[in-house]
Amino acid sequence: AAGVIQSPRHLIKEKRETATLKCYPIPRHDTVYWYQQGPGQDPQFLISFYEKMQSDKGSIPDRFSAQQFSDYHSELNMSSLELGDSALYFCASRNRDGGLNYGYTFGSGTRLTVV
Amino acid sequence: DQQVKQNSPSLSVQEGRISILNCDYTNSMFDYFLWYKKYPAEGPTFLISISSIKDKNEDGRFTVFLNKSAKHLSLHIVPSQPGDSAVYFCAVLQGAQKLVFGQGTRLTINP
Repeated sequence: AAGVIQSPRHLIKEKRETATLKCYPIPRHDTVYWYQQGPGQDPQFLISFYEKMQSDKGSIPDRFSAQQFSDYHSELNMSSLELGDSALYFCASRNRDGGLNYGYTFGSGTRLTVV
Repeated sequence: DQQVKQNSPSLSVQEGRISILNCDYTNSMFDYFLWYKKYPAEGPTFLISISSIKDKNEDGRFTVFLNKSAKHLSLHIVPSQPGDSAVYFCAVLQGAQKLVFGQGTRLTINP
């Protein structure tokens, strides 16, 4: 079965550079979530989209922006990168029909390293 | 402030014995709880969930217990197997939308 695809898997950027992370949800999943997991920390919710509209916003810095496109894939754009942005970035997609896990499925993540 | 707390960062258990992972939450309005398992370089994988209308849910070797009065849930794995070694996250569904995670517990199963 198709899973949530994230690209790239690894990314190394310098301070003050920009980065774009991509997420391709499971087909027919209409909601996408972005989470950030810093070293030794729990995943923190950043932002979500439902039917291409922002549905919820968490602890996302103003330097970050995201959008969901007509094909339901989502991109997280990060500018003026700081060392503290180094983290694992997970995308999850969800089918609002739910299920035992409320339809949540996570991708394998993008490891961003800012040097 | 941490709404979901896993106070044990790590746990080591002998193969074949029971593993018990604990989780506390602060908001009595939370009504759906999930456990995720995470291997290095992979995303969290759903394990088991429980609704607040229940106090126990079982799926094979995994059982989740919910104590609403204590705002506490636990995940029991029995018997523990080496493949169970991973980081386990407790999570609550907030507003039927986003997941709020605990800090995770690293479980190591020793042969």
